[in-house]
Amino acid sequence: DVKVTQSSRYLVKRTGEKVFLECVQDMDHENMFWYRQDPGLGLRLIYFSYDVKMKEKGDIPEGYSVSREKKERFSLILESASTNQTSMYLCASRKRQGRVGDYGYTFGSGTRLTVV
Amino acid sequence: SQQGEEDPQALSIQEGENATMNCSYKTSINNLQWYRQNSGRGLVHLILIRSNEREKHSGRLRVTLDTSKKSSSLLITASRAADTASYFCATDAGAGAGSYQLTFGKGTKLSVIP
Repeated sequence: DVKVTQSSRYLVKRTGEKVFLECVQDMDHENMFWYRQDPGLGLRLIYFSYDVKMKEKGDIPEGYSVSREKKERFSLILESASTNQTSMYLCASRKRQGRVGDYGYTFGSGTRLTVV
Repeated sequence: SQQGEEDPQALSIQEGENATMNCSYKTSINNLQWYRQNSGRGLVHLILIRSNEREKHSGRLRVTLDTSKKSSSLLITASRAADTASYFCATDAGAGAGSYQLTFGKGTKLSVIP
């Protein structure tokens, strides 16, 4: 069964810590995405990557960075965690859009991060 | 930035009834997609409709798209308690800036009462 795996379902970190959220997909997808989801705000795009070593800022990149050294893995890094980064983090992947294909995203189960 | 807006925000129906959710968006799209999210979990892709399509079916799901009104609807027929979830529409703007990403609405929370 093809899937996107996020390393942790729940995570509690202290303010100021450096936090790594890992995401691995086994579908050989080119595109990968990190979203955060907050009540009343919906899903907001943090960063995305359209191929290995490529990255693009989304709508809310401040306070975050990403790494994509291998095609299957896309890491989200909180450089210095703050309480306003408490949220549900969702990773997704998608096959590169082509002329004949339009593809949906495959999401991981999410990581609920609490920063105290 | 939010593009899709779902309506209603919440919907409660009896098992066996049909559920209709609407989505409006602002700019031209390449395709529109619907996703389901069970409480506290990731999103699951349900169906994709391209801008040159008007209607699409998948099992008990029926999606319509009206590009002139920039709107879409998702109909779930003969609902079941297991359909209880939040439903999101997402738009793909296609080629050009932002073509790699989907823009999600805030979702409709559907409750199906047994």
